[in-house]
Amino acid sequence: DTEVTQTPKHLVMGMTNKKSLKCEQHMGHRAMYWYKQKAKKPPELMFVYSYEKLSINESVPSRFSPECPNSSLLNLHLHALQPEDSALYLCASSQDLLQPQHFGDGTRLSIL
Amino acid sequence: GQQLNQSPQSMFIQEGEDVSMNCTSSSIFNTWLWYKQDPGEGPVLLIALYKAGELTSNGRLTAQFGITRKDSFLNISASIPSDVGIYFCAGQLERGSTLGRLYFGRGTQLTVWP
Repeated sequence: DTEVTQTPKHLVMGMTNKKSLKCEQHMGHRAMYWYKQKAKKPPELMFVYSYEKLSINESVPSRFSPECPNSSLLNLHLHALQPEDSALYLCASSQDLLQPQHFGDGTRLSIL
Repeated sequence: GQQLNQSPQSMFIQEGEDVSMNCTSSSIFNTWLWYKQDPGEGPVLLIALYKAGELTSNGRLTAQFGITRKDSFLNISASIPSDVGIYFCAGQLERGSTLGRLYFGRGTQLTVWP
């Protein structure tokens, strides 16, 4: 079982909806990450947080808005998404930015 | 950005056979990681390598960090059906703006026939 917990596992939303993805870890990791993954492709980095501060934004469209309320939680707020945003969204965490990343099982997002 | 070439793209093998896959890069990495991803799940870390020349095992898996720091390979011995999945290599740098960024290979899809 993964120690990075993501909810929900599946999400179907319309293009005008607002929803949020949640990620939680209790390993004391101080770096957390959001990735987008299309079928049979490697994960693509979206955002990196280190000590609850955003350190990397990979030029992600503003319809994706990350939030790190505390060291254990990472949210991804979604608004006005496009059909091409349908993908598996993975969260990962690591002790710090130099240590290996551990992934959750992802949220499968479908945009209608 | 950094380009990782992972090969082979796919492998179809018989149960009990050994498997070998590798990643090469045009740039030097400080850390090499190998992940496995099953359908519907996130990637699981298999092995992490930190030093050039390092050889590390995890059960039937063995991985090596190339001497030039530009390549790594993963071997699986005596494959079993549960080895099926996509294997990703990833490299990591330790410089300023790249901190926290993993550079992934395109993956090797492994199929094991009973």
